[in-house]
Amino acid sequence: EPEVTQTPSHQVTQMGQEVILRCVPISNHLYFYWYRQILGQKVEFLVSFYNNEISEKSEIFDDQFSVERPDGSNFTLKIRSTKLEDSAMYFCASDRGPPTEAFFGQGTRLTVV
Amino acid sequence: QKEVEQDPGPLSVPEGAIVSLNCTYSNSAFQYFMWYRQYSRKGPELLMYTYSSGNKEDGRFTAQVDKSSKYISLFIRDSQPSDSATYLCAMRSNYKLTFGKGTLLTVNP
Repeated sequence: EPEVTQTPSHQVTQMGQEVILRCVPISNHLYFYWYRQILGQKVEFLVSFYNNEISEKSEIFDDQFSVERPDGSNFTLKIRSTKLEDSAMYFCASDRGPPTEAFFGQGTRLTVV
Repeated sequence: QKEVEQDPGPLSVPEGAIVSLNCTYSNSAFQYFMWYRQYSRKGPELLMYTYSSGNKEDGRFTAQVDKSSKYISLFIRDSQPSDSATYLCAMRSNYKLTFGKGTLLTVNP
């Protein structure tokens, strides 16, 4: 069964460093998303991406964040200068567009020290 | 008022019980409703997806949507210890999902 894959599963970085989280969405999906979940809190929307453009973004997704689809398979989230409060699970998701259902990857646990 | 409200529990039931999980919402723009299951430190796994008022059944799971009351439910029949997880309701408007906080369910053998 097709699945969304994310790498790495765990990333530890020092405050102020740049990190890139990687995702391979399901191959026939067209819409890609990043969500995050701070420990003990709910899953929060960050950004949606379609046709090489951001479709929608949340207030969390400020200038420190960027997304890219560098080739036909990968979808990345970059955090330019990490802060302690960026520590969270980051989930990539994909779907064929509304109204279809979104499928999530297993997440990257980001720890900023 | 929060967009999506979900009782975080925890909820503990004996094996074989019927489980009822619920969410309420305030945003009329939500058109599509999902239930995800999440194990600790794992990604959300889609269980059920509905977009109209009424019931949808899949095996031991039934999803119910009442748009007039802005209320959705997930019922689990004959619950098993393997059903122990956090259950997340999620609602879609345009290009994003808005999640509830999740209900932690434990099914005891």
